[in-house]
Amino acid sequence: EAGVAQSPRYKIIEKRQSVAFWCNPISGHATLYWYQQILGQGPKLLIQFQNNGVVDDSQLPKDRFSAERLKGVDSTLKIQPAKLEDSAVYLCASSLDPGGSYEQFFGPGTRLTVL
Amino acid sequence: DQQVKQNSPSLSVQEGRISILNCDYTNSMFDYFLWYKKYPAEGPTFLISISSIKDKNEDGRFTVFLNKSAKHLSLHIVPSQPGDSAVYFCAAPENYGQNFVFGPGTRLSVLP
Repeated sequence: EAGVAQSPRYKIIEKRQSVAFWCNPISGHATLYWYQQILGQGPKLLIQFQNNGVVDDSQLPKDRFSAERLKGVDSTLKIQPAKLEDSAVYLCASSLDPGGSYEQFFGPGTRLTVL
Repeated sequence: DQQVKQNSPSLSVQEGRISILNCDYTNSMFDYFLWYKKYPAEGPTFLISISSIKDKNEDGRFTVFLNKSAKHLSLHIVPSQPGDSAVYFCAAPENYGQNFVFGPGTRLSVLP
């Protein structure tokens, strides 16, 4: 089966610019996650969707970050405006359902550099 | 809030020997833990899990041990192979088990 797809793989922008990332989860996976991984740290959950509803967005900086999952399939994560500290790898993951018994499958990530 | 610590940022092991990676967590309300492995330029991939009804789970060369009283996990790789060189993340449940908190990772280097 096809894995989680993400694009772009790399993005370089200047601070205060906007950027958007796209994720296509594994077919049939109801749960979709966006993580931020800063160099030297583990992935940090930004937002979790169950179908097209938000389960947890408690760590999403809502003044600049937004995410949507229209029709419960693809998802986009946007940063507007970007700050230097947003430089990180943004990982998308999906699972059949939430919870530990359902393995999360990760995409390759988008590496964002903010100059 | 769940906190996950992996106190060894890096570990080097000779091929054929045992690798032991450690992980500590703070919140034991939901005892189900995961280990992920990550190669450069790739997303993490699931390696092995353990639930609180067990204190050990084995899958081939990989064994995870859970010490609930100490809130401690360890991952053993025996024998270690050069292809095991990667970053290993431990993850513990949060939000009533709906999602997971990841540790900072341990970079394992297996030397031929």
